[in-house]
Amino acid sequence: GESVGLHLPTLSVQEGDNSIINCAYSNSASDYFIWYKQESGKGPQFIIDIRSNMDKRQGQRVTVLLNKTVKHLSLQIAATQPGDSAVYFCAPQAAGRRALTFGSGTRLQVQP
Amino acid sequence: NAGVTQTPKFRILKIGQSMTLQCTQDMNHNYMYWYRQDPGMGLKLIYYSVGAGITDKGEVPNGYNVSRSTTEDFPLRLELAAPSQTSVYFCASTDRQLYEQYFGPGTRLTVT
Repeated sequence: GESVGLHLPTLSVQEGDNSIINCAYSNSASDYFIWYKQESGKGPQFIIDIRSNMDKRQGQRVTVLLNKTVKHLSLQIAATQPGDSAVYFCAPQAAGRRALTFGSGTRLQVQP
Repeated sequence: NAGVTQTPKFRILKIGQSMTLQCTQDMNHNYMYWYRQDPGMGLKLIYYSVGAGITDKGEVPNGYNVSRSTTEDFPLRLELAAPSQTSVYFCASTDRQLYEQYFGPGTRLTVT
C-alpha cells in the first residue's frame, strides 16, 4: 500500500515566523493532494489542495509546493499565528482510488 | 447547513458490547467515509460508500459493519467491541472524487 511520511513530527516556531511542513509520498500515481489542519478535539479541516499538473498553489497565508519528481510536497504558512497551532496532514489521492491516504501528521506549535 | 454531524460525542463500552455510531450529512453528498484515528496517528479508512446502497471496505474494516440506505446517513456498527477499537471515529463526506472531504466532529470511543 501507499505510505505517506513526514520529515518532522513536531515543529515549533515563533509567532510571526514562517512555517514549513513537509510531506513525502510513495505512490507515483497520486494526482491530487490535500492539506488538512486538525485542532485538538476536532475533525480535520481543509486548508488547501493542489493537483498534479501544478507545482505551486497559494491561498491566504498558505502556499503548497509539489515536486512530483521526488514525490514531495510542502505547506508553507506565512507569519505564523497562535491559531495555527494544530496537527497538519497531507493526504494524497490517486485517480481511481476512492479514498484519501493520511500520514501521521506534523504537530505545529507556535510560541508567543 | 449543519454539515456532517456525528452522535454520540463520547461513549464507553464494555468488551463484547455492541453499538452504532451515527453519521448524517445535509449537503447531498454521494461519497461518505468512516475513519478511525488512534492517539498520535493519522486517519485510517474503515469503510466508504459512493452512494445509497453501495459500500466497500477500506484499510481496517475488521470488526465493523456499515449500511447506506439513504444519501444522508452512513451508520457504523461495532458488533463485539474489543479494546483495540478504542479510538476516535470520524465520518466524512464529499460530492465527488478528487475533492476535499468534509469531516464531522468525531466520536471518542473507549472499550474497557
